[in-house]
Amino acid sequence: DAKTTQPPSMDCAEGRAANLPCNHSTISGNEYVYWYRQIHSQGPQYIIHGLKNNETNEMASLIITEDRKSSTLILPHATLRDTAVYYCIVLPTGTASKLTFGTGTRLQVTL
Amino acid sequence: EPEVTQTPSHQVTQMGQEVILRCVPISNHLYFYWYRQILGQKVEFLVSFYNNEISEKSEIFDDQFSVERPDGSNFTLKIRSTKLEDSAMYFCASRYRGTQSYEQYFGPGTRLTVT
Repeated sequence: DAKTTQPPSMDCAEGRAANLPCNHSTISGNEYVYWYRQIHSQGPQYIIHGLKNNETNEMASLIITEDRKSSTLILPHATLRDTAVYYCIVLPTGTASKLTFGTGTRLQVTL
Repeated sequence: EPEVTQTPSHQVTQMGQEVILRCVPISNHLYFYWYRQILGQKVEFLVSFYNNEISEKSEIFDDQFSVERPDGSNFTLKIRSTKLEDSAMYFCASRYRGTQSYEQYFGPGTRLTVT
């Protein structure tokens, strides 16, 4: 599976957009980019995924560069409840693949 | 909204004892997983289960671990003889069988403390 690189931590003011970057320069053509988050010690929570097009759902937007070597998760109006560790994971299609969690980005949303 | 549930939320056991952690996956999901997270460390994959058999396991998942889907709803993780280093949060996850999305949905976890 492709390796991902994320900054260890970021801060964001409440109400502002949080932009979390992820580098996955070795991604291959059949691999999706998935984002999960873990709030404190709770179970990881699925956020969004994409292959090459930008995606949006009720939680976030995912912007994938044209060369697919990096992506950005956008939380449009961060709240205190969005404080969590965010994980970018590259996952091949067509399998029951395990999720391989890295250290992620610890996002701290402040007043 | 359907969710994965896990019981108990916290289990304390003595070293050498057997424990069974229970999970009820989302009802129409067909892939099941166990992960663990030692305090302060990464979430680690243990095992995946599909069609009543293990499809993949990590090197952590040794002979002391086993999984079972005893009926149509439960998915269990058994640790036969617990060790101190088994103390961790254990998360169950499940996934639909769809071919367009592979997102896994996690339960709230069971905190296992081995003394």
